[in-house]
Formats: sequence, structure tokens, C-alpha cells
Amino acid sequence: EVQLLESGGGLVQPGGSLRLSCAASGFTLSNYAMSWVRQAPGKGLEWVSAISGSGYNTWYADSVKGRFTISRDTSKNTLHLQMNSLRAEDTALYYCAREGLVATTPNIDYWGQGTLVTVSP
Amino acid sequence: QSVLTQPPSVSGAPGQRVTISCTGSSSNFGAGYDVNWYQQLPGTAPKLLIYANTNRPSGVPDRFSGSKSGTSASLAITGLQAEDEADYHCQSFDSSLSAWVFGGGTKLTVL
Repeated sequence: EVQLLESGGGLVQPGGSLRLSCAASGFTLSNYAMSWVRQAPGKGLEWVSAISGSGYNTWYADSVKGRFTISRDTSKNTLHLQMNSLRAEDTALYYCAREGLVATTPNIDYWGQGTLVTVSP
Repeated sequence: QSVLTQPPSVSGAPGQRVTISCTGSSSNFGAGYDVNWYQQLPGTAPKLLIYANTNRPSGVPDRFSGSKSGTSASLAITGLQAEDEADYHCQSFDSSLSAWVFGGGTKLTVL
């Protein structure tokens, strides 16, 4: 059974840093592209970042480019998101997500339950 | 302002048919990228409902169907049930932004 378990969220001051982790089970991380998607309270979904199955390619939304870094540890089957220079507008529930293999336009076939990041003084 | 435009809310009575629209542009749907739809029940993570415009993952009832034409897409739900009350999100890829893009989400209320 595929499972994605996020951790690392919490309350942080503006300008601070957090590192999110996503422990994957039921599949091998290196066989799939993975993404982080966030949802601000009461708002819609926003794609944040993605990493290819090989790990060689990464992509970022303009809103986080230069501040966030996506990475993975294949030995631990874990995905990470390093978030620096955090702003109030980064406050959201952050979902770890697995990209499906079937279609040419990327989609998400499995989602974690999310970890909440709150940026506030 | 989301790149893909959805109505904020739709509603219908049990048993009825409802549709949710998702309007894109020449850099996403018009560029040939597909639409995916997700259902988000209250307090839960999203779930893939439709992928590649019309395809349902295993376990999704055939009451849910999707379509795409030009720069617009839609999700149809027939035989509406109380358990369908949820937020529905469309998603694609945008070549100008080189980014995944989502609609703002549509809240479905079953009357």
C-alpha cells in the first residue's frame, strides 16, 4: 500500500527556515517524480516544486524560486523540502504528492495528509 | 488569481446532474496539455478523480466523467449523492510558466 507521511511543519517567524520531510512507503521513490503542493487556509491548491524520478531535474513555482529547495534521500525513501526566508504568504498545509506514471500531462495519484506551516511573528 | 478558472460554487439536488467548468488558455489546454480533476472531501487530502481529460482511476464511480475541448474542460457528475459534497480542483501544465497549474477550486453543495 502506497503511503506518504509528511513531517516538519510548525510555527516559524518571518525570515526563518523549516525543513519538511515525506517518508514514502509501498513504492520506491527513485521510480517516480514527486511534488510538493500547498493549500493556504480556505484557499485552492498551489503547486510548489517537483523533482524527477532520477533526481537530476527539479522545478519550482516562481513564488518560491530561490527560497525553497526540493531533494530526496533514496536510501531512506524520503522526500524533503528546505524552506528558507519564509514569508507570511507561505502559510499553508503542505502536501507531499506522487506523480502518476500513466499520462503525459503530470497528475498526482497519491497524496499525503499534509503538514501545516504557519509563518507568523 | 488562478491560471485555470473555475466557478467558486455549484449545487444540485440528489439524483441530479451537475457540471463544473475549468477554463484555461493557449499556453495550457490550448497547447495540448490535458486536464486532471481532484476531489477533496472536507478535512481530507485531495484524491485523483479524472486524469488525462476522460480517464477514471480504479475505484472511481462512472457517475464522474470529464471532457476537454479547446481551452476549456468540464467535470460532470450524474446521479448526485450526498457524499459527493466536496471541493473539486482542475489541474494541468502551463508551458509559458513551465509549471503545474490548478484552478481555484469549486465547492459542490448537495441540496
